[in-house]
Amino acid sequence: QVQLVESGGGVGQPGKSLRLSCEASGFTISRSPMHWVRQAPGKGPEWVAVISFDGRNAYYRDTVEGRFTITRDNSKNMVFLQMNGLKTEDTAIYYCAKFELGVSAFDVWGQGTMVTVS
Amino acid sequence: DIQMTQSPSSLSASVGDTVTITCRASQSIRTFLSWYQQRQGEAPKLLIYSVSNLKSGVPSRFSGTGSGTNFTLTISSLQPEDFATYFCQQSYNTLPYSFGPGTKLEIK
Repeated sequence: QVQLVESGGGVGQPGKSLRLSCEASGFTISRSPMHWVRQAPGKGPEWVAVISFDGRNAYYRDTVEGRFTITRDNSKNMVFLQMNGLKTEDTAIYYCAKFELGVSAFDVWGQGTMVTVS
Repeated sequence: DIQMTQSPSSLSASVGDTVTITCRASQSIRTFLSWYQQRQGEAPKLLIYSVSNLKSGVPSRFSGTGSGTNFTLTISSLQPEDFATYFCQQSYNTLPYSFGPGTKLEIK
């Protein structure tokens, strides 16, 4: 069964750090760019960051650039999001998502992990 | 950045009805448009990619049309499990990929 499972969410104070993890099962992440997408309460999803197949390239939305770092460990089939300098506006459910290049869409999503900055 | 809008923001309908949701992009995204369904408390789930292609397992009562900047999602013969929130999303050219604000489909 193809699955993504996030962990590491919780309550963090402004300016502090949290590290999110995403473990894949049922497929190998080494063939796909992997993304983090977040969704604030009552809002649409918002793309956060992407990391290339081999981890050499990463891109971020402007509002998290310089504070968040996305990494991956293909040997463990895992993706991570290091969140530093947390702001109240980072409060959201964070989803790990696989982007399927063949269909140009997010075809697998995790269940999400809640991050509350307060 | 490309902005996505949706209308209506909410919609009430009955089982068996046909409904249409509209999505507009702030610039042409050709056919790089996907639709997602999100039930309460769940993650979004891919329904349609490249405007009109149903993901495997998605019922044929879902359909999508459009190109450029204007797109629609139509759900025919609504079933109880279809009452959810629907998002469009563009993946054209460069990051950031962006999502619409959503359309909440409620039972009348």
